[in-house]
Amino acid sequence: DSGVTQTPKHLITATGQRVTLRCSPRSGDLSVYWYQQSLDQGLQFLIQYYNGEERAKGNILERFSAQQFPDLHSELNLSSLELGDSALYFCASSVGNLWSNEKLFFGSGTQLSVL
Amino acid sequence: AQKVTQAQTEISVVEKEDVTLDCVYETRDTTYYLFWYKQPPSGELVFLIRRNSFDEQNEISGRYSWNFQKSTSSFNFTITASQVVDSAVYFCALSDRMRGQNFVFGPGTRLSVLP
Repeated sequence: DSGVTQTPKHLITATGQRVTLRCSPRSGDLSVYWYQQSLDQGLQFLIQYYNGEERAKGNILERFSAQQFPDLHSELNLSSLELGDSALYFCASSVGNLWSNEKLFFGSGTQLSVL
Repeated sequence: AQKVTQAQTEISVVEKEDVTLDCVYETRDTTYYLFWYKQPPSGELVFLIRRNSFDEQNEISGRYSWNFQKSTSSFNFTITASQVVDSAVYFCALSDRMRGQNFVFGPGTRLSVLP
């Protein structure tokens, strides 16, 4: 068990809908990262938050947004969902900014299916 | 741009065989970190090893060993005497100081260890 909690584990929804994925980092970790894993794109970095502030942005669509709350949990909001958004979404955490020589601890992921 | 290549998409071996998973990376940074993660069928990503660019010493951990060669930009992973429980997708990853995507994964190698 990595200590990173993601909910829900599975999510089934329809095109055009909006969903929210939730992540609680390991106790003491200040950084939260979101990744999308799909068969054709592999593991893609979406966004990183450090202590409530956006720190780095990757291949995140404008329809997607995230935030990190004062208690350090994070939410990833996906709107106007398309079939191609179906993927496994991972949250990871680390103590600080990854550049300070740390490793990522991953949650078990949220499997999103858009029908 | 930073990039990680894992040329082997899938590998099948028979139990007790040794197997090497290849990883080749590209970065313009002189300081960077390399990682290996394991994704078993259950789906979570499990950290295996982190290596910084200034430490070219090879590492052994039980049946696992890693060969880091800066001259060829490679960070290969060998499993000795493979076991069925080693069956998983293995990802090599790179972190450097590029803004916006501070952690990039390779496409992964699916290892199947047959009894």
